[in-house]
Amino acid sequence: DARVTQTPRHKVTEMGQEVTMRCQPILGHNTVFWYRQTMMQGLELLAYFRNRAPLDDSGMPKDRFSAEMPDATLATLKIQPSEPRDSAVYFCASGMTSGRAEVDEQFFGPGTRLTVL
Amino acid sequence: GNSVTQMEGPVTLSEEAFLTINCTYTATGYPSLFWYVQYPGEGLQLLLKATKADDKGSNKGFEATYRKETTSFHLEKGSVQVSDSAVYFCALSASGTYKYIFGTGTRLKVLA
Repeated sequence: DARVTQTPRHKVTEMGQEVTMRCQPILGHNTVFWYRQTMMQGLELLAYFRNRAPLDDSGMPKDRFSAEMPDATLATLKIQPSEPRDSAVYFCASGMTSGRAEVDEQFFGPGTRLTVL
Repeated sequence: GNSVTQMEGPVTLSEEAFLTINCTYTATGYPSLFWYVQYPGEGLQLLLKATKADDKGSNKGFEATYRKETTSFHLEKGSVQVSDSAVYFCALSASGTYKYIFGTGTRLKVLA
């Protein structure tokens, strides 16, 4: 049963520290998304990639967040320096693009719960 | 621009009650429409989808019909169970963008 995996599942850190979250998309999927979920803002799209190339990262605070796909099996989201307002659950999702230039279905990972003190 | 509006929650129902969660959208062209469900402590998972006008998506007793004339994709279930308690997200995918536009989510609580 193919799944998206994310590590770590939980992270507690202090303000100013660097945080790196990792995602392994489902093998063969060519599109990867990063989301952030909070009670106040709901589900926000931070960035997404197609065939490892970044398509849109306009949802990310550019000064502290960065997202990369060093290879097809790994996507990373980094926060440096972290702030208390970054506390949230971060989800990675992957999918395949269709002939209509859409993603037929997004498969979500279990999320990384980040707490910045 | 593209957007999705869904009804505010929480929705609280007794077991075996009828469920409707409203969803309307704004989009250019002919988007695909989705309902995702999020159980506590988990990521979202696809519940059902429809890719063209008048299509009906269905799964696990849930249904939604793509209504282009009213730009709606309301989620319905005839008899809810306690296990249906979750947050439900309506979403659209506009051709050529690859990304989804998600609604704000509607929390459903079903009481035994």
